This record gives sequence, structure tokens and C-alpha cells, in this order.
Amino acid sequence: SQKIEQNSEALNIQEGKTATLTCNYTNYSPAYLQWYRQDPGRGPVFLLLIRENEKEKRKERLKVTFDTTLKQSLFHITASQPADSATYLCALAGSARQLTFGSGTQLTVLP
Amino acid sequence: EADIYQTPRYLVIGTGKKITLECSQTMGHDKMYWYQQDPGMELHLIHYSYGVNSTEKGDLSSESTVSRIRTEHFPLTLESARPSHTSQYLCAAAVSGANVLTFGAGSRLTVL
Repeated sequence: SQKIEQNSEALNIQEGKTATLTCNYTNYSPAYLQWYRQDPGRGPVFLLLIRENEKEKRKERLKVTFDTTLKQSLFHITASQPADSATYLCALAGSARQLTFGSGTQLTVLP
Repeated sequence: EADIYQTPRYLVIGTGKKITLECSQTMGHDKMYWYQQDPGMELHLIHYSYGVNSTEKGDLSSESTVSRIRTEHFPLTLESARPSHTSQYLCAAAVSGANVLTFGAGSRLTVL
């Protein structure tokens, strides 16, 4: 069955460091992968999309990589700030092109 | 400034009541979705629509129903609420193509 796994339920890092979040998937052949940010009690907010033929995508302090051989995406936040604290979700398009979400990684950036 | 609006944000209701969660979008997107999310858990797709008069059930079985009479409006209805329906319900819209979703703030439903 199709499965999406995101690393550890919670990740704590020190302000200024780079946060790296992992998204692994099985039994998917996604055309693209997306990352969203979700704050408590709110809906997710789209951050980045990376297509299967792209290795890396950047947006300001954010970087996403996509390795279809390893079936893995890495999401990096450089120079992290306390305001980056949130839950980060990866999402893949399944067979019907509907997005399926991982359970998310809760990131806390400590001042 | 939100482009997708959900009401009510919070609802506490007794078992057996009928409820409708409203979702409206001002973006003119054809695709709309309802997801259900329990605390700390992943989002589960329960309904989607690709346009007016088009509705489909999602991956997660749900006792709710939806309608799409107008492009901008995608309400979700529970005919008889039960405690097992307690959850957060998230509405989203997307333009055709890569399915980048814009979510509403969510409706948190508690059924006593």
C-alpha cells in the first residue's frame, strides 16, 4: 500500500541552525511533491512544489530536494528563526492525482 | 486576507443534530476539497469536486455529504452528528494542474 513517512514526530533546533526534515514514500510514482506549513489550529499553507524531473528547488531560506531513486525528499530551512516553528507536511499526488499528506514533523526553533 | 472562508470556526453540538459546515472561495477555482484532520495526525481526503454538479468521495469513508451548486461554494453536511465525527474539517481549493491547495482556517467540530 502507499505510504508516506516523515521523520520523528518533533524536531528541536537552535536558532540560526539549519533544520532538515525528511519525507520518505513507498509505492508511489509521484509526478511532484509538495511541502506545506501548518500552524496550530490553522489550515496548511503551501510552501514549495518540486517535480519528479527536478533535483532541487529553492525559495528564500527554504530548499527542497527530491530523489526519486531513494524515494525521498528533504526540506531544509537555513538560518532558522523561532517564527519558523510549526508543523511541516509533505504531500504527494497519488494515482488519481489527489494529494495524500504525511502526518507532519513538528519543528521548534529555540531562541 | 483569506481567499477561502470556512464557517463556523468552532462548533459544539449534541449527538443526532444535523450540521452544515460552510466553505466559500473567491478565487474561481474549479477544484475543491474537504479534508478531515485529528490532532497530530495526517489529513484525510473525504470529498472532492472538480466543478459544479461534480462531487466524489475521497479515500477516507465519511458519513458526510457535499454539494457543489455554485463554483464558489462547497458545503459539507452531517445529517446526524455523532461523537466519532469530532474532528477538524479543512476545506481547500486548487486551480487545475499541479493541485497546489489553498486551505481555509478549518472548522473544529465537537459532538457531545
